[in-house]
Amino acid sequence: QVHLVESGGGVVQPGRSLRISCAASGFSFSNYGMHWVRQAPGKGLEWVAVIWYDGNNKYYADSVRGRFTISRDNSKNTLYLQMNSLRAEDTAVYYCAKIAVPGIYDYYMDVWGKGTTVAVSS
Amino acid sequence: DVLMTQTPLSLSLTPGQTASISCKSSQSLRHSDGKTYMYWYLQRPGQPPQLLIYEVSKRFSGVPDRFSGSGSGTEFTLKISRVEAEDVGVYYCMQTVQLPPITFGQGTRLEIK
Repeated sequence: QVHLVESGGGVVQPGRSLRISCAASGFSFSNYGMHWVRQAPGKGLEWVAVIWYDGNNKYYADSVRGRFTISRDNSKNTLYLQMNSLRAEDTAVYYCAKIAVPGIYDYYMDVWGKGTTVAVSS
Repeated sequence: DVLMTQTPLSLSLTPGQTASISCKSSQSLRHSDGKTYMYWYLQRPGQPPQLLIYEVSKRFSGVPDRFSGSGSGTEFTLKISRVEAEDVGVYYCMQTVQLPPITFGQGTRLEIK
């Protein structure tokens, strides 16, 4: 059974950094691209970033480009999001999500983790 | 960016009624490869989103046939026949025809009376 478990969230001051992780199991992690999607309190879904199955291509939302870095370690079946220069507006639940189709043929998500909460506050 | 606009933003129905949610995109979601990159998700209270429909009208594994998607180009509809209590939540449309960014609709909240 496909399982995604996010961790590493917490309270962080504005301007500081945080790295969150997503541990994957139940599928061939190295064959699938992965996303980060976030949801601010009481708001809708906002796509953050995607990384190809092999890590060779990454795309970001304008709101995080230059501050956040998506990466993966296929030997550890783990996805990461390094978040620098955090702002109050980055406060959200961060979900990792698996792309439904192996390879690079589409980008839609079929399985989501339960999320980890990041709160940026002084 | 492709703007996704959902209507209505909220629905309140009694069990057994039919729900209809519209999603309009600011540009066509049909790709030159012939596929239309349009999806529907449901987020139940306190839960992560779950995939309902992919490529406009294909039901994801385990999704009841009460859920159906239709549309083309820039106008799409999700219909839920015979709504049940378990259908409560927020429904989102999403596009992946042009990225970055991937964009979602604002969400439609379904309440069962």
